[in-house]
Amino acid sequence: DADVTQTPRNRITKTGKRIMLECSQTKGHDRMYWYRQDPGLGLRLIYYSFDVKDINKGEISDGYSVSRQAQAKFSLSLESAIPNQTALYFCATSDRRQGAKTQYFGPGTRLLVL
Amino acid sequence: QQQVKQSPQSLIVQKGGISIINCAYENTAFDYFPWYQQFPGKGPALLIAIRPDVSEKKEGRFTISFNKSAKQFSLHIMDSQPGDSATYFCAATYETSGSRLTFGEGTQLTVNP
Repeated sequence: DADVTQTPRNRITKTGKRIMLECSQTKGHDRMYWYRQDPGLGLRLIYYSFDVKDINKGEISDGYSVSRQAQAKFSLSLESAIPNQTALYFCATSDRRQGAKTQYFGPGTRLLVL
Repeated sequence: QQQVKQSPQSLIVQKGGISIINCAYENTAFDYFPWYQQFPGKGPALLIAIRPDVSEKKEGRFTISFNKSAKQFSLHIMDSQPGDSATYFCAATYETSGSRLTFGEGTQLTVNP
């Protein structure tokens, strides 16, 4: 969905490096999410934010941190990347009036940690 | 701990055939069950969804069947087409979850011409 953009689209980094994945949206949604996708494991929630001042851990938040710089921007950081964080990362948004019923996903960032 | 279990992991169907993907859930508080479709290189997108107060929902060639007593739901794709080739995820949520979707493991569907 072009209304949700992620940068970079692909990233290769080395173990121990700190990296940031960025997400921007023009949908005007207040809720934003970060997921990772691994083969055979589906999509797992890392962090989610209901608004700029409300950030919550998901099911797999260890090793990650987030920043909600504005309603439209939500960044995911890997403080010290490790190889098992190699995955496809997705940002998503939703409108509070719909809750979790419909989430709009970005195109994803493919991350490789060497 | 996977609260939504999805099967099969991969599925190959001939054009015109019926594709069936199954999901089972554990949490009886779940009250909304969407299916997402993901094409290669794209993010998932909502395909169809159902609430547990109905047993079936149909949108075009896509149908969700829901069995509340068995805590199972399934996606049926009738007259499957090569353009349906994608990864499909079932999911579940409930109103008090704070907008959290719990996803199944995903099914990679290939429809051969």
